[in-house]
Amino acid sequence: DTEVTQTPKHLVMGMTNKKSLKCEQHMGHRAMYWYKQKAKKPPELMFVYSYEKLSINESVPSRFSPECPNSSLLNLHLHALQPEDSALYLCASSQTRGGGTSPLHFGNGTRLTVT
Amino acid sequence: AQKITQTQPGMFVQEKEAVTLDCTYDTSDPSYGLFWYKQPSSGEMIFLIYQGSYDQQNATEGRYSLYVHKARKSANLVISASQLGDSAMYFCAMRETKALNSGGSNYKLTFGKGTLLTVNP
Repeated sequence: DTEVTQTPKHLVMGMTNKKSLKCEQHMGHRAMYWYKQKAKKPPELMFVYSYEKLSINESVPSRFSPECPNSSLLNLHLHALQPEDSALYLCASSQTRGGGTSPLHFGNGTRLTVT
Repeated sequence: AQKITQTQPGMFVQEKEAVTLDCTYDTSDPSYGLFWYKQPSSGEMIFLIYQGSYDQQNATEGRYSLYVHKARKSANLVISASQLGDSAMYFCAMRETKALNSGGSNYKLTFGKGTLLTVNP
């Protein structure tokens, strides 16, 4: 079982809806990530939070709004999405110590469909 | 320029045989990490194995071995004694340091395009 939990597993939303993706980890990791993965493509980094502060935003459109309320939780708020935003959204966490040596631990993802 | 290259879109292997999945990387960061992940059709990304730029020996985790050749900038994954459950997409990934506008730095994990491994009975 994965130690990073994402909810919901599946989400269908219209272009005018507002929804949120949730991610939770209890491994004591202080870095958390959102990745977007289109079918048959590799994951692409969207956001990185380090110690609950946004440290990397990979030029993601403002219709995606991340939030890190505490060290265990990471949310991704969605508003006015487009059909091309349909994808698997993966959350991950990692230790912050050890430089670039710590692996990212991923959740099972949320499969998002925008109609 | 692509930083992580996987040139095998698909690979086939007979059950119980070994298979090598190729990966090359490109970085000027002296401190980097090389990772392999497995992604079954269910979607979960499963961490398999890691080796850092300062590690002297190749890594082994059970049936997985990571062979890094720094001069060739290759990081190949060998799966020994393949099992039917090994059928999945395999991603090579590299973690580099990214300088932040705030003056600090953080680490960015970049994935290759993946290799779809099929294990035949």
